[in-house]
Amino acid sequence: QKEVEQNSGPLSVPEGAIASLNCTYSDRGSQSFFWYRQYSGKSPELIMSIYSNGDKEDGRFTAQLNKASQYVSLLIRDSQPSDSATYLCAVLVLSNTGNQFYFGTGTSLTVIP
Amino acid sequence: EPEVTQTPSHQVTQMGQEVILRCVPISNHLYFYWYRQILGQKVEFLVSFYNNEISEKSEIFDDQFSVERPDGSNFTLKIRSTKLEDSAMYFCASSERTVSYEQYFGPGTRLTVT
Repeated sequence: QKEVEQNSGPLSVPEGAIASLNCTYSDRGSQSFFWYRQYSGKSPELIMSIYSNGDKEDGRFTAQLNKASQYVSLLIRDSQPSDSATYLCAVLVLSNTGNQFYFGTGTSLTVIP
Repeated sequence: EPEVTQTPSHQVTQMGQEVILRCVPISNHLYFYWYRQILGQKVEFLVSFYNNEISEKSEIFDDQFSVERPDGSNFTLKIRSTKLEDSAMYFCASSERTVSYEQYFGPGTRLTVT
């Protein structure tokens, strides 16, 4: 069973603070890892992908991957009210026949003005 | 900026009827996917499609589901005999063949089965 676990929240942070979102996964064969943002009633929007251990930064967002611990996180610096959404962690597992993505249930983030 | 499009945005159908959901993936992408999201629940993988055939499918993707790429642009999901529990948002996504296979989602079709 391939699982992607996230704390469902809600996570509340004040505007300007750092929001930290965490995700663990069960399949050691997972290849790539993704963070998506989903506003209520909308489709997932890709924020970042990461496939190597360490940090990857893109603007206010930093993704961190630790394959040994099977852990991936997303830091949002200088959080804005517009960052209020559900953040989905997704994992790609490649097989001989194709690829399959597994999503966590998401963490609800509220940024308080 | 290229984007995935889906039609219709909302489909209402009666139980037992067939529905076809349509998607136009990003033009240079090679991998196509369907997902569903029941209200308040997580995004669930249904199927991936590459080189004109199914490459992976989940347990959800049973015999009542089928996918097709009828021409060079459209990618469809057919549900043969809809059930009440098929009511959900259905998302199409596409990706290039890169190291990370980044997926981009369409806006979704809300399917309501009555």
